[in-house]
Amino acid sequence: GAVVSQHPSWVICKSGTSVKIECRSLDFQATTMFWYRQFPKQSLMLMATSNEGSKATYEQGVEKDKFLINHASLTLSTLTVTSAHPEDSSFYICSARAEKLFFGSGTQLSVL
Amino acid sequence: DQQVKQNSPSLSVQEGRISILNCDYTNSMFDYFLWYKKYPAEGPTFLISISSIKDKNEDGRFTVFLNKSAKHLSLHIVPSQPGDSAVYFCAASSGGYNKLIFGAGTRLAVHP
Repeated sequence: GAVVSQHPSWVICKSGTSVKIECRSLDFQATTMFWYRQFPKQSLMLMATSNEGSKATYEQGVEKDKFLINHASLTLSTLTVTSAHPEDSSFYICSARAEKLFFGSGTQLSVL
Repeated sequence: DQQVKQNSPSLSVQEGRISILNCDYTNSMFDYFLWYKKYPAEGPTFLISISSIKDKNEDGRFTVFLNKSAKHLSLHIVPSQPGDSAVYFCAASSGGYNKLIFGAGTRLAVHP
């Protein structure tokens, strides 16, 4: 099946710093990628839809200036958590659509 | 407001027996339902799906049943194997893979 690579798998950062997470479709082109976050024992919540060559579409309640999404190519989307705070600590997962929806392995972000 | 609910956070089943995972939804506009399996520190992997025009879809040991009038779907795994031990997420959408809404997941443990 198609492969989606997400990097890094985990990151620890200080409060106030920015963190970039990469999502790559390795063997297919993805005009659309999705970013989710998951808090412990809760469901995956869609944050935004990343569209190649255009602005991302954010879900209600998600701050677009805090969670910057860039989808500059057909194989790469990035999510940057700006000025991270401890409440941003979560598991972030990207997905990309081929014939099905394939997920990356996720990034565990811990903000100290 | 949770549109997709998995009311059982965990399920323990003996190897060889049937595992039944349940999922309820509230949005009558949902027309596509999926089950994903997730191992720790990995992204979800697609298992099986069903569209609202069907009431059953089978793939090997996995069968998904959809009861539209009750807004309920279930995943049956038979026979259950220890390798099936994982967290299972139910997801729903109105229109293919766009904007999947996930349940909170059910942790399945299959023991010898």
